[in-house]
Amino acid sequence: VQLVESGGGLVQPGGSLRLSCAASGFLFSSYAMSWVRQAPGKGLEWVSSVSGSGGSTNYADSVRGRFTISRDKSTNTLYLQMNSLRGEDTAVYYCAKEANYYGSGSYFDPWGQGTLVTVSS
Amino acid sequence: QSALTQARSVSGSPGQSVTISCTGTSSDVGNYNYVSWYQQHPGKAPKLMIYDVSKRPPGVPDRFSGSKSGNTASLTISGLQAEDEADYYCCSYAGSPYVFGTGTKVTVL
Repeated sequence: VQLVESGGGLVQPGGSLRLSCAASGFLFSSYAMSWVRQAPGKGLEWVSSVSGSGGSTNYADSVRGRFTISRDKSTNTLYLQMNSLRGEDTAVYYCAKEANYYGSGSYFDPWGQGTLVTVSS
Repeated sequence: QSALTQARSVSGSPGQSVTISCTGTSSDVGNYNYVSWYQQHPGKAPKLMIYDVSKRPPGVPDRFSGSKSGNTASLTISGLQAEDEADYYCCSYAGSPYVFGTGTKVTVL
């Protein structure tokens, strides 16, 4: 099982960025997926989850209405579209595979290596 | 949803045992048996160590164990080894659906 994130970089406040997570080694559509972030020197914060089908999504209050999680089963790729970015969104963003299809009562294993998003002018 | 509370740091000598506590509420830790623990070395991605309160994934040494009482979950490392020095985070399903702990730095003296 391997997860590889990409798409991070430097963006100005108010800007947008789309993160990708390429998955391999497992049946992608059978598992929920999540994004978890970690601000520099800080702890982990769950950001968003999507069910195996992509039909059910959840968001942390801090990103709801600005971020959109989605997945493409044809390319085994997870996405996070981030709009209206703020300085407090600066973090390493990890994608993680959940333990079941719905993502409820689950855990995260494995994690990708992370991609750094820096929001600054 | 507020972060679960963990001690900022704990330490122990090689061979000793340390226990990390993770305190939540009746809406998260106290309401679900879905507590997991993650180990993170500097500059690395987190690694799953315990899930469903007390289950160990394949490959995780049996010196790592988990438990829960009420609104508090615990991770115990028995027979502490140098490679156990890392940050540890608890996580609970909370219906919202997830909340992480504040993190504990384990130092091997």
